[in-house]
Formats: sequence, structure tokens, C-alpha cells
Amino acid sequence: DAKTTQPTSMDCAEGRAANLPCNHSTISGNEYVYWYRQIHSQGPQYIIHGLKNNETNEMASLIITEDRKSSTLILPHATLRDTAVYYCIPYNAGNMLTFGGGTRLMVKP
Amino acid sequence: GAVVSQHPSRVICKSGTSVKIECRSLDFQATTMFWYRQFPKQSLMLMATSNEGSKATYEQGVEKDKFLINHASLTLSTLTVTSAHPEDSSFYICSAYRTGTVGGRSGNTIYFGEGSWLTVV
Repeated sequence: DAKTTQPTSMDCAEGRAANLPCNHSTISGNEYVYWYRQIHSQGPQYIIHGLKNNETNEMASLIITEDRKSSTLILPHATLRDTAVYYCIPYNAGNMLTFGGGTRLMVKP
Repeated sequence: GAVVSQHPSRVICKSGTSVKIECRSLDFQATTMFWYRQFPKQSLMLMATSNEGSKATYEQGVEKDKFLINHASLTLSTLTVTSAHPEDSSFYICSAYRTGTVGGRSGNTIYFGEGSWLTVV
């Protein structure tokens, strides 16, 4: 499994964009980049995934570098409810998800 | 997104008794489900992979006779903690694997339940 490196924690002001980086330099060609978040005392929530093109949905945008060695999850207008631990996970369909330490995002008023 | 439901959300049991946790995929069929455990301030740790109609595959260090997993249908997997002890107190989370496409690209995604807090006293 590809390993990831994410900042341990980040702060973001409410209403501003939150940009969460992830390094996955050992990602294999058939692995997608998946992002999940876990709000305290809840199960992880799927956010978005991509292979090599940038993706956007109602929750976030995902920017993947051309060499696929890193990506950035963007929450365009962070709210207090976006406070959570965010996990970046290279994933090959059918296998289990392996969680690292993630980034603890604190959105402040 | 897809919905995965767990029940109960919280349970307290006496040491030595058994507890069953249910995991249901509500709007899709899942041939594969996963069970995780999470201790306070730690990340999720995979316990086992549950495949419909066959035996579960357990991760190293997880006692299969203590954590019984049954995946009898395409929408239901259960985890039974047998002879529970206080050290089994934890947050148990299930997930289900959904296959498909979204906008012509892979939509294969794992969705998680809300989690179940187990306290053994």
C-alpha cells in the first residue's frame, strides 16, 4: 500500500478556503486518491476521489498533481462543522482502506 | 451518498457476556464489508474483511473466535464480541464496499456506518 504524509493539524478561519495537502509519492498507477473525514465520535465520511484529473463535487475539490505524487483537498468556504480529521488514502478498488494519522482541521470563528 | 447503518450506536455490557453489532447497507448491495476498531485518539484499525457467503478474513492479531463475523446477506453483516472484557471497550465501525460508475469513471467507494460505542463493565 502506498504511504501518505499529511500535516498533523491545521487551522482555518470560518468562511475561508481550507487547503489540505497530502503527499503520496509511492502511489501506484491503478490507485485512486480517496479523501474521507471523521468528525468526532462518528464514522468516516466519504468526501471525494480521483485518479489523475481534478475533481469537484458538492463537498470539495480535489487537485492532483500531474505526477500524481501529491494532492490537495480544498474546502472552498470552511464552516465550523468542517472541523474534523481528514484522511487522504491511495486506494485500489476491492481492497480495504488503510487509515493513517490524517490531518486534524480546526475551523475557527 | 450511499447509506450504511449500524446498530446499536451505544451499548454497555457486563464482562463475560456477548454483544452483537449489526451493519446494514440500506440502498445498495455489498458483497464485501469491513470491520474496524478505533481506540481514543487513535486512527481506525482494520479488524476483518467480511465477504457475503464465506468466512471472514481477519487481520493479524485479531482473534477470530472472539470477534465473530457473519455476512449472511448482501445487505447485512454482524460482529459479535464474545466473552467481552473491559479491554474490548472501543468504537467499532463497519463499512461497505459499493461498486459502480459515476459520470463514466470509477465510482467504487467504501461507505462507513455511524459507529458503535461498546463499553464493557
